Amino acid sequence: ETGVTQSPTHLIKTRGQQVTLRCSSQSGHNTVSWYQQALGQGPQFIFQYYREEENGRGNFPPRFSGLQFPNYSSELNVNALELDDSALYLCASSSGLRRASGTDTQYFGPGTRLTVL
Amino acid sequence: QQQVKQSPQSLIVQKGGIPIINCAYENTAFDYFPWYQQFPGKGPALLIAIRPDVSEKKEGRFTISFNKSAKQFSLHIMDSQPGDSATYFCAASVKTSYDKVIFGPGTSLSVIP
Repeated sequence: ETGVTQSPTHLIKTRGQQVTLRCSSQSGHNTVSWYQQALGQGPQFIFQYYREEENGRGNFPPRFSGLQFPNYSSELNVNALELDDSALYLCASSSGLRRASGTDTQYFGPGTRLTVL
Repeated sequence: QQQVKQSPQSLIVQKGGIPIINCAYENTAFDYFPWYQQFPGKGPALLIAIRPDVSEKKEGRFTISFNKSAKQFSLHIMDSQPGDSATYFCAASVKTSYDKVIFGPGTSLSVIP
């Protein structure tokens, strides 16, 4: 186990609704990344937070937003849900220790399965 | 440029066989190449990783071979076991202002007894 936890495990919403997913990072990790994994595909990078600031974003619209808290836990918010948002949402934490010299290893949580009807 | 290609899409081997999964990339700025293993209903778990200054890395039954000039890398699983049945993702990341990990599409491995 990685020590990264996510809640809830499963969620069902209807189109147009809003959803908040939560992630608790591994102890000592100050960086969290969120990914969307559609069925049968690899995870797609949504964004990354470092010390409570968003410092990188993938090709996702602004209705995908996030927060990182002082204890380094994190939220992913999705507004105006669409059917294509149905996916496994993964968060991954990393230590930030290699930021100056190279990329950090990211440790993934078990994910939240979101179904949009 | 930001893609990581992975093949085969699926693989079936007998117990004890050596499945090989191949990946290729274009972006020479990638500086870290992790492999992840994912079981159904679980998040990806880091299996083994390599940096481009190394041509081979072994950890237990898992070996990464890395060919920097060809921009290709592969995963070999020695003495494969039914418990190795999972989806395997190769990935690559580049240090910009943040760590963006690009995943391949995945290979579904089945090891039959």
